[in-house]
Amino acid sequence: EDKVVQSPLSLVVHEGDTVTLNCSYEVTNFRSLLWYKQEKKAPTFLFMLTSSGIEKKSGRLSSILDKKELFSILNITATQTGDSAIYLCAVDHDRGSTLGRLYFGRGTQLTVWP
Amino acid sequence: GAGVSQSPSNKVTEKGKDVELRCDPISGHTALYWYRQSLGQGLEFLIYFQGNSAPDKSGLPSDRFSAERTGGSVSTLTIQRTQQEDSAVYLCASSLGARTKGEQFFGPGTRLTVL
Repeated sequence: EDKVVQSPLSLVVHEGDTVTLNCSYEVTNFRSLLWYKQEKKAPTFLFMLTSSGIEKKSGRLSSILDKKELFSILNITATQTGDSAIYLCAVDHDRGSTLGRLYFGRGTQLTVWP
Repeated sequence: GAGVSQSPSNKVTEKGKDVELRCDPISGHTALYWYRQSLGQGLEFLIYFQGNSAPDKSGLPSDRFSAERTGGSVSTLTIQRTQQEDSAVYLCASSLGARTKGEQFFGPGTRLTVL
């Protein structure tokens, strides 16, 4: 069963638009939620969220976590063609040891047209 | 730069052959991860090494898959008797340690094609 579900799976917008990407999750002993941007092969880290209601912001990107409703959103304002990428959401949970794994969603493919 | 490196970048092999994929993590990173990404899919966890602890192998899809990490640095993922469904991009990542495993740095990946 999917533990991390992202929506939409794909999104096409024009430059200047604002987009909201969604990530819902279901894991026990939640520890953190992470967002990555994948343009070609290697995902690059964007945000790590551990507390509800605290917005993380980096330039035109921002993200917030709701631990009660078990979801997070990633907002991109004033989109640019360089924002075109797959955005991946991942969840970390505590398995009671130092070992563990991240659960990734399938990603949202964002395409920004000029 | 001093990022995660992987080799080869592309590998084409025939069904039934064995392949070895290599990952050089960032120097000083004690945690190392292998993922697989099939077309249109998210990242599928394969295996996780943390220091000298026993690796977390819970994501390996079959006993044809194995990985080792020598000297706490370089890792090799081996796939024996490859099948066409093994075709995917294999990504390696590293992080400073278990507490920072969310902030993983990914390598460029190896694209494996099994004919």
